[in-house]
Amino acid sequence: AQSVTQLGSHVSVSEGALVLLRCNYSSSVPPYLFWYVQYPNQGLQLLLKYTSAATLVKGINGFEAEFKKSETSFHLTKPSAHMSDAAEYFCAVIKGASSYKLIFGSGTRLLVRP
Amino acid sequence: DVKVTQSSRYLVKRTGEKVFLECVQDMDHENMFWYRQDPGLGLRLIYFSYDVKMKEKGDIPEGYSVSREKKERFSLILESASTNQTSMYLCASTPLGAQVVNEQFFGPGTRLTVL
Repeated sequence: AQSVTQLGSHVSVSEGALVLLRCNYSSSVPPYLFWYVQYPNQGLQLLLKYTSAATLVKGINGFEAEFKKSETSFHLTKPSAHMSDAAEYFCAVIKGASSYKLIFGSGTRLLVRP
Repeated sequence: DVKVTQSSRYLVKRTGEKVFLECVQDMDHENMFWYRQDPGLGLRLIYFSYDVKMKEKGDIPEGYSVSREKKERFSLILESASTNQTSMYLCASTPLGAQVVNEQFFGPGTRLTVL
């Protein structure tokens, strides 16, 4: 069965520092992986998605994620954090090979210190 | 722009009341979803609809039902609200495509409190 694990419910970084949010997946089929962001009092917005076209995926707002099959990981990074990046981030995997359903991780809240 | 709207941002109801949460999307998407979001648990799928009048249970359907009479509208119904249904409810939609990796578009959420 497909699942994702996000390590760290809260991550705190200084403005300008590297952002690293961790996601490990478990999938019995080639996975389709997503990162979503939720700003305060808003719904979720897609940051980026992996669909096996390229292992390094670039998303919006300067974020990117690298798919590493050997480590079953899909960590999200941004070279330099901005105050506006403070939000909750969710990693998700498609439930099955022909499914429209997403399985979400528990989320990581990113705090950015001035 | 795709727009998914939810009828209320905040809702307060009493135990035992029947509650309707409405979701409307304007992009002619075939698939619609209802999730609940709780701290530390992420999003969990309640129900899914892939066509008008078609529905499928998600991971936590107990205590909920849904209705999809028109393509653009997907309603979540709490037949008899209970305090453990206090949560954030998110609606999402996605088109039916040749590939299954279309993103889901989310509404802003309804924060429901059951007293």
